This record gives sequence, C-alpha cells and structure tokens, in this order.
Amino acid sequence: RKEVEQDPGPFNVPEGATVAFNCTYSNSASQSFFWYRQDCRKEPKLLMSVYSSGNEDGRFTAQLNRASQYISLLIRDSKLSDSATYLCVVTRRGGGADGLTFGKGTHLIIQP
Amino acid sequence: DAGVTQSPTHLIKTRGQHVTLRCSPISGHKSVSWYQQVLGQGPQFIFQYYEKEERGRGNFPDRFSARQFPNYSSELNVNALLLGDSALYLCASSPRAGNEAFFGQGTRLTVV
Repeated sequence: RKEVEQDPGPFNVPEGATVAFNCTYSNSASQSFFWYRQDCRKEPKLLMSVYSSGNEDGRFTAQLNRASQYISLLIRDSKLSDSATYLCVVTRRGGGADGLTFGKGTHLIIQP
Repeated sequence: DAGVTQSPTHLIKTRGQHVTLRCSPISGHKSVSWYQQVLGQGPQFIFQYYEKEERGRGNFPDRFSARQFPNYSSELNVNALLLGDSALYLCASSPRAGNEAFFGQGTRLTVV
C-alpha cells in the first residue's frame, strides 16, 4: 500500500462549481499534513496546512480525519486559475527525518 | 525577499558522468531538503539537512550524496549517472526540520 494515495483524476469541473479531493495516508505516526499546488513544469507551492480542527482560507477548506487517516480539500466557486495538480503531503513531526511524503497528485481542470 | 534559488535550471549530462546541483535556502531557514520528481509522480524525498548535519535520507542509492554549508546553502551530488536519473530535482527550505517546506524552481536534469 502506498504511503499517500490520491485519485490522479483528471477532474474536469465547470467554472464556478465546487470540487473536493480526498487523500488517504497509511502511516498512523504522521502528524503534519499539507496541500501543495503544482502547475505544469513548475515547483510545488504550499497551498495550506491541514489541522485537526480543519481550516479555511478563502475558497479553500481542508479537513483531517485522523481516525480514518484521510485528508480532504474543498474548493468552492472554482476559477480557471485553480487548474493545477494538487499534492497531498504528510510528514512525521520531530525532526522530519523522513522528509515530506507526497501523493502522486490530483489533476484538476477547470473548464470555462 | 528572495525565495529558494537553485542552479542550474536545466542540465544535460551523459550516462556515467557526475553532476552537482546547488541550492540557496530562504534567508533564516536552516533546513534544506532535496527531492526527485519524475514525470507523473509526486516528489520523492532524497535528503534532509539541518544545521549542516544530515537528518534524514530517503531510499536512494549511494550514488546520491549531499552536504550543507555554514551559510545553509546545499549541494546535491549524483555520481555515475543513469538514464533513470533524468528528473526534476527540487530543493526545499524550512525554518526547522519537519516544518512546511518552500520549494525552489528546480533543476531539470536530462541524462542521455
């Protein structure tokens, strides 16, 4: 079983719609969680950290379910500029000796 | 403020050669990590350095090595290049080990 699993998509979504991605992780010792966004042939950029209480940043909402070991990202009122690959990332706290563990990413295409 | 800078941006090498990639972290960040990203996959953790010491190593062969300098910049070295080493090599900096990471634009290495 892969450490971090994501549906690769692509998700084709009309502009203005709401879209949600899930990600599951296998290591129960994981303590820090992030969503990164990666545009084609560019570096990953931090979108948001994911906290146990959930967090919201504008149109983006992230949730963490430790019992089921999954993380979600919700994008409301999607824009054309949201088209990108969204990477789910987990790490263990305490030195981070394992580095960040990335999923393969979910490819999102927002259509006009 | 300058972000993470990597050099060179693109590189073409022949099988069997050696390559050195360079990274300068965000000012004040003491942790540098290296990742390899092949097409269609998420980044894979290679090394983490914090305060000039190796703190973590991913599942890569001994042909891969790295170091961190007193000014916190870092080098990644790869010996005896193979065709399969062709990838985007990403450097990430963090204030401390285990934190969210900020990536440079990457070095795209092509081995022919």
